[in-house]
Amino acid sequence: ETGVTQSPTHLIKTRGQQVTLRCSSQSGHNTVSWYQQALGQGPQFIFQYYREEENGRGNFPPRFSGLQFPNYSSELNVNALELDDSALYLCASSSGLAGADTQYFGPGTRLTVL
Amino acid sequence: QKEVEQDPGPLSVPEGAIVSLNCTYSNSAFQYFMWYRQYSRKGPELLMYTYSSGNKEDGRFTAQVDKSSKYISLFIRDSQPSDSATYLCAIGHMASRAQKLVFGQGTRLTINP
Repeated sequence: ETGVTQSPTHLIKTRGQQVTLRCSSQSGHNTVSWYQQALGQGPQFIFQYYREEENGRGNFPPRFSGLQFPNYSSELNVNALELDDSALYLCASSSGLAGADTQYFGPGTRLTVL
Repeated sequence: QKEVEQDPGPLSVPEGAIVSLNCTYSNSAFQYFMWYRQYSRKGPELLMYTYSSGNKEDGRFTAQVDKSSKYISLFIRDSQPSDSATYLCAIGHMASRAQKLVFGQGTRLTINP
Protein backbone atom coordinates (compact mmCIF):
# COMPACT_ATOMS: atom_id res chain seq x y z
CA GLU A 1 0.00 0.00 0.00
CA THR A 2 1.43 3.37 -1.03
CA GLY A 3 1.22 6.16 1.51
CA VAL A 4 0.48 9.84 0.95
CA THR A 5 3.20 11.64 -0.97
CA GLN A 6 3.74 15.37 -1.49
CA SER A 7 5.93 17.46 -3.74
CA PRO A 8 8.05 19.43 -3.61
CA THR A 9 9.65 18.90 -0.19
CA HIS A 10 10.78 22.49 0.15
CA LEU A 11 10.00 25.67 -1.73
CA ILE A 12 11.18 29.26 -1.48
CA LYS A 13 9.11 32.03 -3.04
CA THR A 14 8.90 35.81 -2.78
CA ARG A 15 5.93 37.94 -1.82
CA GLY A 16 3.33 38.30 -4.54
CA GLN A 17 4.29 35.12 -6.36
CA GLN A 18 2.06 32.11 -6.90
CA VAL A 19 2.76 28.52 -5.83
CA THR A 20 1.34 25.08 -6.60
CA LEU A 21 1.79 22.17 -4.20
CA ARG A 22 0.97 18.58 -5.11
CA CYS A 23 -0.34 15.56 -3.25
CA SER A 24 -0.88 11.93 -4.18
CA SER A 25 -3.37 10.23 -1.91
CA GLN A 26 -3.00 6.82 -0.36
CA SER A 27 -4.15 3.95 -2.52
CA GLY A 28 -7.92 3.48 -2.29
CA HIS A 29 -8.57 6.91 -0.78
CA ASN A 30 -10.88 9.38 -2.55
CA THR A 31 -10.93 12.28 -0.08
CA VAL A 32 -8.09 14.77 0.28
CA SER A 33 -7.76 17.49 2.92
CA TRP A 34 -5.19 20.26 3.07
CA TYR A 35 -3.83 21.81 6.26
CA GLN A 36 -1.43 24.67 7.02
CA GLN A 37 0.93 24.23 9.97
CA ALA A 38 2.79 27.33 11.14
CA LEU A 39 5.92 26.84 13.21
CA GLY A 40 5.09 25.70 16.73
CA GLN A 41 1.37 25.40 15.99
CA GLY A 42 -1.04 22.60 15.18
CA PRO A 43 -2.28 22.14 11.62
CA GLN A 44 -5.19 24.33 10.48
CA PHE A 45 -7.81 23.04 8.06
CA ILE A 46 -7.74 24.77 4.66
CA PHE A 47 -10.23 22.71 2.61
CA GLN A 48 -11.29 19.22 1.63
CA TYR A 49 -11.98 17.59 -1.73
CA TYR A 50 -14.18 14.58 -2.29
CA ARG A 51 -14.57 13.09 -5.76
CA GLU A 52 -13.13 16.18 -7.42
CA GLU A 53 -15.37 18.70 -5.63
CA GLU A 54 -14.58 21.02 -2.74
CA ASN A 55 -16.91 19.99 0.07
CA GLY A 56 -15.70 22.15 2.95
CA ARG A 57 -13.41 25.05 3.67
CA GLY A 58 -11.73 26.58 6.70
CA ASN A 59 -11.03 30.27 7.39
CA PHE A 60 -8.67 30.85 4.50
CA PRO A 61 -9.06 33.57 1.82
CA PRO A 62 -9.99 32.77 -1.79
CA ARG A 63 -6.37 33.10 -2.92
CA PHE A 64 -6.04 29.59 -1.48
CA SER A 65 -7.60 27.27 -4.05
CA GLY A 66 -7.38 23.64 -4.96
CA LEU A 67 -8.13 20.88 -7.41
CA GLN A 68 -8.67 17.17 -7.21
CA PHE A 69 -8.09 14.99 -10.25
CA PRO A 70 -9.87 11.80 -11.39
CA ASN A 71 -7.05 9.71 -9.87
CA TYR A 72 -7.76 11.54 -6.56
CA SER A 73 -4.43 13.34 -6.52
CA SER A 74 -4.72 16.99 -5.57
CA GLU A 75 -3.15 20.43 -5.89
CA LEU A 76 -3.11 23.40 -3.57
CA ASN A 77 -2.61 26.77 -5.24
CA VAL A 78 -1.79 29.95 -3.38
CA ASN A 79 -1.82 33.28 -5.22
CA ALA A 80 -0.33 36.61 -4.15
CA LEU A 81 1.89 35.04 -1.52
CA GLU A 82 2.31 36.84 1.79
CA LEU A 83 5.05 36.45 4.39
CA ASP A 84 2.54 34.78 6.78
CA ASP A 85 1.99 32.01 4.24
CA SER A 86 5.35 30.57 5.28
CA ALA A 87 4.43 27.22 6.82
CA LEU A 88 4.38 23.45 6.42
CA TYR A 89 1.53 22.47 4.09
CA LEU A 90 0.11 19.05 4.81
CA CYS A 91 -2.08 16.88 2.70
CA ALA A 92 -4.19 14.12 4.28
CA SER A 93 -6.17 11.42 2.53
CA SER A 94 -9.05 9.27 3.70
CA SER A 95 -11.42 6.74 2.22
CA GLY A 96 -14.68 8.54 1.58
CA LEU A 97 -16.98 10.53 3.80
CA ALA A 98 -18.10 7.51 5.81
CA GLY A 99 -14.56 6.70 6.86
CA ALA A 100 -13.04 10.12 6.43
CA ASP A 101 -12.42 10.48 10.14
CA THR A 102 -9.21 8.50 9.79
CA GLN A 103 -7.00 10.91 7.89
CA TYR A 104 -3.49 9.89 6.95
CA PHE A 105 -0.96 12.64 6.41
CA GLY A 106 1.87 13.09 3.97
CA PRO A 107 5.29 14.45 4.95
CA GLY A 108 4.37 18.00 3.95
CA THR A 109 5.82 20.76 1.80
CA ARG A 110 7.73 23.45 3.63
CA LEU A 111 7.05 26.82 1.99
CA THR A 112 9.17 29.85 2.79
CA VAL A 113 8.01 33.26 1.54
CA LEU A 114 10.66 35.99 1.50
CA GLN B 1 -11.22 31.03 22.97
CA LYS B 2 -9.60 28.35 20.83
CA GLU B 3 -11.77 25.36 19.94
CA VAL B 4 -9.07 22.98 21.18
CA GLU B 5 -6.56 23.86 23.90
CA GLN B 6 -3.38 21.87 24.47
CA ASP B 7 -0.51 22.64 26.81
CA PRO B 8 2.45 23.20 24.46
CA GLY B 9 5.00 22.09 27.03
CA PRO B 10 7.81 21.36 26.48
CA LEU B 11 7.66 18.24 28.63
CA SER B 12 10.81 16.33 29.58
CA VAL B 13 10.70 13.04 31.51
CA PRO B 14 13.09 10.14 32.23
CA GLU B 15 12.90 6.90 30.29
CA GLY B 16 10.32 4.52 31.74
CA ALA B 17 8.09 7.25 33.16
CA ILE B 18 4.35 7.44 32.57
CA VAL B 19 3.47 10.44 30.42
CA SER B 20 0.12 12.20 30.49
CA LEU B 21 -0.86 14.56 27.67
CA ASN B 22 -4.11 16.49 27.75
CA CYS B 23 -6.47 18.59 25.68
CA THR B 24 -9.72 20.40 26.33
CA TYR B 25 -12.28 21.41 23.74
CA SER B 26 -15.22 23.74 23.65
CA ASN B 27 -17.61 22.42 20.99
CA SER B 28 -19.94 19.65 22.16
CA ALA B 29 -20.65 18.81 18.50
CA PHE B 30 -17.21 17.27 18.14
CA GLN B 31 -17.68 13.62 17.28
CA TYR B 32 -14.36 11.83 17.25
CA PHE B 33 -11.03 12.18 18.91
CA MET B 34 -7.51 11.44 17.77
CA TRP B 35 -3.91 11.64 18.80
CA TYR B 36 -1.16 12.15 16.28
CA ARG B 37 2.60 11.96 16.77
CA GLN B 38 4.83 14.24 14.73
CA TYR B 39 8.57 13.83 14.49
CA SER B 40 10.68 16.81 13.48
CA ARG B 41 10.28 17.70 9.80
CA LYS B 42 7.70 14.94 9.24
CA GLY B 43 3.93 14.79 8.78
CA PRO B 44 1.66 13.77 11.67
CA GLU B 45 1.28 10.01 12.21
CA LEU B 46 -2.03 8.69 13.56
CA LEU B 47 -1.62 6.98 16.94
CA MET B 48 -5.11 6.55 18.34
CA TYR B 49 -8.70 7.42 17.49
CA THR B 50 -11.96 6.94 19.30
CA TYR B 51 -15.60 7.98 19.05
CA SER B 52 -16.87 7.52 22.57
CA SER B 53 -16.19 8.43 26.16
CA GLY B 54 -13.97 5.98 28.02
CA ASN B 55 -10.57 4.41 27.54
CA LYS B 56 -8.99 2.82 24.50
CA GLU B 57 -5.72 0.96 24.82
CA ASP B 58 -3.13 0.08 22.20
CA GLY B 59 0.11 -1.32 23.51
CA ARG B 60 1.80 1.27 25.68
CA PHE B 61 -0.70 3.96 24.67
CA THR B 62 -4.09 4.68 26.27
CA ALA B 63 -6.48 7.31 24.98
CA GLN B 64 -9.11 8.60 27.37
CA VAL B 65 -12.14 10.70 26.46
CA ASP B 66 -14.55 12.43 28.85
CA LYS B 67 -17.24 14.06 26.73
CA SER B 68 -19.09 15.47 29.75
CA SER B 69 -15.98 17.46 30.72
CA LYS B 70 -14.81 18.00 27.12
CA TYR B 71 -11.44 16.58 28.07
CA ILE B 72 -9.19 14.08 26.33
CA SER B 73 -5.92 12.50 27.42
CA LEU B 74 -3.16 10.31 26.08
CA PHE B 75 -1.12 8.18 28.46
CA ILE B 76 2.19 6.62 27.48
CA ARG B 77 3.48 3.84 29.71
CA ASP B 78 7.11 2.74 29.92
CA SER B 79 8.16 5.73 27.82
CA GLN B 80 11.09 5.27 25.45
CA PRO B 81 13.53 7.78 23.90
CA SER B 82 11.93 6.94 20.53
CA ASP B 83 8.67 8.44 21.88
CA SER B 84 10.33 11.87 21.81
CA ALA B 85 8.21 13.90 19.41
CA THR B 86 5.41 16.45 19.30
CA TYR B 87 2.01 15.02 20.18
CA LEU B 88 -1.08 16.59 18.66
CA CYS B 89 -4.63 16.06 19.77
CA ALA B 90 -7.16 16.34 16.96
CA ILE B 91 -10.89 16.50 17.24
CA GLY B 92 -13.21 15.94 14.33
CA HIS B 93 -16.65 16.94 13.23
CA MET B 94 -18.63 17.55 10.10
CA ALA B 95 -18.28 21.12 8.82
CA SER B 96 -20.91 21.39 6.07
CA ARG B 97 -20.10 18.17 4.18
CA ALA B 98 -16.43 18.02 5.13
CA GLN B 99 -14.83 15.94 7.82
CA LYS B 100 -12.79 18.66 9.51
CA LEU B 101 -10.06 18.05 12.07
CA VAL B 102 -9.31 20.74 14.64
CA PHE B 103 -5.87 20.36 16.18
CA GLY B 104 -4.39 21.45 19.44
CA GLN B 105 -1.13 23.36 19.46
CA GLY B 106 0.90 20.20 20.12
CA THR B 107 2.98 19.17 23.14
CA ARG B 108 6.69 18.70 22.59
CA LEU B 109 7.82 15.63 24.57
CA THR B 110 11.40 14.55 25.29
CA ILE B 111 12.20 11.19 26.90
CA ASN B 112 15.64 11.24 28.47
CA PRO B 113 17.65 7.97 28.54
